[in-house]
Amino acid sequence: KAGVTQTPRYLIKTRGQQVTLSCSPISGHRSVSWYQQTPGQGLQFLFEYFSETQRNKGNFPGRFSGRQFSNSRSEMNVSTLELGDSALYLCASSLRTGGRETQYFGPGTRLLVL
Amino acid sequence: GENVEQHPSTLSVQEGDSAVIKCTYSDSASNYFPWYKQELGKGPQLIIDIRSNVGEKKDQRIAVTLNKTAKHFSLHITETQPEDSAVYFCAARRQAGTALIFGKGTTLSVSS
Repeated sequence: KAGVTQTPRYLIKTRGQQVTLSCSPISGHRSVSWYQQTPGQGLQFLFEYFSETQRNKGNFPGRFSGRQFSNSRSEMNVSTLELGDSALYLCASSLRTGGRETQYFGPGTRLLVL
Repeated sequence: GENVEQHPSTLSVQEGDSAVIKCTYSDSASNYFPWYKQELGKGPQLIIDIRSNVGEKKDQRIAVTLNKTAKHFSLHITETQPEDSAVYFCAARRQAGTALIFGKGTTLSVSS
């Protein structure tokens, strides 16, 4: 079974621009979570989508948004980019069975804001 | 909210030695504790997890122990090999459908 895929893998943007990242979950997984990973803050939860609805949200400004499509693929958008948004953005998909839910991560999208 | 602290931040061992990484959590309602390994240029990979109704779990050279009373859990790697070199993250979560909260990571270096 194919793993979680993320596109693009690398991205360079300038301050003020916006960016859209894409995530395709493992086949059959309906939950997609997004994390921001930086050397200083580690892995921080952005938001989670389940069946096209945002189920959980982390403590990030409104410039960070996301959505999920009917095929469970997800996108996250960051508007008005700031230098501090440079990070590895990770997507994780999960399948809940019998109250158990395990997250599997994709390779990430490395975003550099200049 | 939940807070997870992880120690040490770096760990260097000789090949064949054991490595232990410890995490403490603050939310007594947390009941799921996974460990992830992240190699350079890759996303975190789940290596083992434990739920609150279990005190210890083993998978070949890797084991995780959980002490719910003290609110801490540990990863034990025995007979370390150079390919074990990576960043290891612990995490905690209340129940399915809630966010995983991660520790800051431990960089493990295994020298041959």
